[in-house]
Amino acid sequence: GAVVSQHPSRVICKSGTSVKIECRSLDFQATTMFWYRQFPKQSLMLMATSNEGSKATYEQGVEKDKFLINHASLTLSTLTVTSAHPEDSSFYICSASDRPYNSPLHFGNGTRLTVT
Amino acid sequence: AQSVSQHNHHVILSEAASLELGCNYSYGGTVNLFWYVQYPGQHLQLLLKYFSGDPLVKGIKGFEAEFIKSKFSFNLRKPSVQWSDTAEYFCAVKFTGGGNKLTFGTGTQLKVEL
Repeated sequence: GAVVSQHPSRVICKSGTSVKIECRSLDFQATTMFWYRQFPKQSLMLMATSNEGSKATYEQGVEKDKFLINHASLTLSTLTVTSAHPEDSSFYICSASDRPYNSPLHFGNGTRLTVT
Repeated sequence: AQSVSQHNHHVILSEAASLELGCNYSYGGTVNLFWYVQYPGQHLQLLLKYFSGDPLVKGIKGFEAEFIKSKFSFNLRKPSVQWSDTAEYFCAVKFTGGGNKLTFGTGTQLKVEL
């Protein structure tokens, strides 16, 4: 079945630095990928929709200059948390679909970001 | 705004007990409905989905869900749970016009005791 690989699984960084998270679709082409953030004991909140070859679409309240998304190819999307702060510590999850509509999403294993 | 709610945040059952997890959404239009499961330390996996047709949907591992349009509900059921069903369960809804965007419920943590 379709697999989505996310890297790294865990990252610890110092406040003020930037962190890049990669999301790859391993056996299918994903024109659209989604980035979610999961707070402890809460649900997944959609941050942005990443579109191959164009700008990402951000959800209300998500700072696009802080969470940079690049979808340079049909199999790779990256999320860069710029100038990270402790409040950015969270679990970030990407997902992708191998068909454009009416299809379930495949999820990556997530990235646990801790900003010290 | 469209929303998805799961009323049970934590459920504890004994093995062989029956399970029903509630999921309701607020939206009058066409929806696609999903249940995902997240086992400890693993990624989200699709349990079952509803797009159209028979409102009673059967998924993997003996799970099923029933779409009741009049109640805006998509409850998850399993007649007899196993210890291995211990996990977090998320209901998710795709609303018309939202593309492939999913809105998740807050999740239900299920613990099955031996």
